[in-house]
Amino acid sequence: GDSVTQMEGPVTLSEEAFLTINCTYTATGYPSLFWYVQYPGEGLQLLLKATKADDKGSNKGFEATYRKETTSFHLEKGSVQVSDSAVYFCALSDGGSQGNLIFGKGTKLSVKP
Amino acid sequence: DAGVTQSPTHLIKTRGQQVTLRCSPKSGHDTVSWYQQALGQGPQFIFQYYEEEERQRGNFPDRFSGHQFPNYSSELNVNALLLGDSALYLCASSWWGAAGELFFGEGSRLTVL
Repeated sequence: GDSVTQMEGPVTLSEEAFLTINCTYTATGYPSLFWYVQYPGEGLQLLLKATKADDKGSNKGFEATYRKETTSFHLEKGSVQVSDSAVYFCALSDGGSQGNLIFGKGTKLSVKP
Repeated sequence: DAGVTQSPTHLIKTRGQQVTLRCSPKSGHDTVSWYQQALGQGPQFIFQYYEEEERQRGNFPDRFSGHQFPNYSSELNVNALLLGDSALYLCASSWWGAAGELFFGEGSRLTVL
């Protein structure tokens, strides 16, 4: 079945460092790909999405590009802030579903001042 | 505009008991999905409701059941609780057709003793 694998955490970075969180997927169809973020004490929030190959999703300085050839959707940010500390989840939604997301295990990011 | 609200936020039950969790979707949303998030794991899809009917179901036993009301709110019921049912239960709402673009509540933390 479809699945998502993302890098294990926790990840600890200094403020203004470059961030990459790796995510790869396995899917039989043509999924849409998502990054969700869970800030401390808050619900999961959609961070960005991409619906087809070579699409780039972006939001709040974060970017991820849908790479069909490598089945990847890595999350990047050029300069992280303390406020980016959170748990990040990569997810996919297959073409036939209406909200059935398959999530990775999550990567906890801590940014130190 | 209220987001997705869930109740109760925390509850403790014993094995064999039954539990009901409640969810009010974000204003304007007509679709509710439920997810189970075990500690250190990503959310797992339980089921989805639209027009008061279960539309999709994940790999969960029949002990897990749900309901959607005419006002789009929803309940998740779990019977014959097991220790392994201890988890954070997340409700997510969306518009029907907005595949993967979900708005999550903060969850109900269930502990089974």
